[in-house]
Amino acid sequence: GAVVSQHPSRVICKSGTSVKIECRSLDFQATTMFWYRQFPKKSLMLMATSNEGSKATYEQGVEKDKFLINHASLTLSTLTVTSAHPEDSSFYICSASPGAGGDETQYFGPGTRLLVL
Amino acid sequence: GESVGLHLPTLSVQEGDNSIINCAYSNSASDYFIWYKQESGKGPQFIIDIRSNMDKRQGQRVTVLLNKTVKHLSLQIAATQPGDSAVYFCAEILHAGGTSYGKLTFGQGTILTVHP
Repeated sequence: GAVVSQHPSRVICKSGTSVKIECRSLDFQATTMFWYRQFPKKSLMLMATSNEGSKATYEQGVEKDKFLINHASLTLSTLTVTSAHPEDSSFYICSASPGAGGDETQYFGPGTRLLVL
Repeated sequence: GESVGLHLPTLSVQEGDNSIINCAYSNSASDYFIWYKQESGKGPQFIIDIRSNMDKRQGQRVTVLLNKTVKHLSLQIAATQPGDSAVYFCAEILHAGGTSYGKLTFGQGTILTVHP
């Protein structure tokens, strides 16, 4: 149980294009989903927290117009990297938390490797 | 700012040995701690957690110890296997202001290599 998927797993795009990454909780409803960014050999850095049906809360230094987050349902959140540039190349990881009954465990997706040329 | 950090960035052990991965945290108000395992190119995998009102918790082959006096967290892996090779992160959550939800702050990470 508690499986989180991400799509795509890898994406290569040209500079200036937008890329959408999907995060799905497959066997539970996620009250809250989180988006992280990870550089090689570094730790995960939280980008934003999203609750179903409301606007995402972005961490300091993360541009909300650059990284658009939509949490349209209890099983799906999307991250859109708009007008991507090479410096946006990174490993993007989402997590989902049931939230119900005080269960705040975050279950992580497999990550999406983004390469912007 | 306050953060979670690790003493050892790399750890190499022989198969069958016990492994101990350490973590120091600086925010004494953190009340929930989690250990994650991350294999190359994959997302973090939950291993074990512990709340601040406990000092020890055991799982299958893993034990987490929490020493609030010195703000230290450790993960013990018994009979380490080659499949345990990965990066291990500790993470803390601070439930500030009585909110039911806290943000995970990840530590630096320790690379565990298990030699056959």
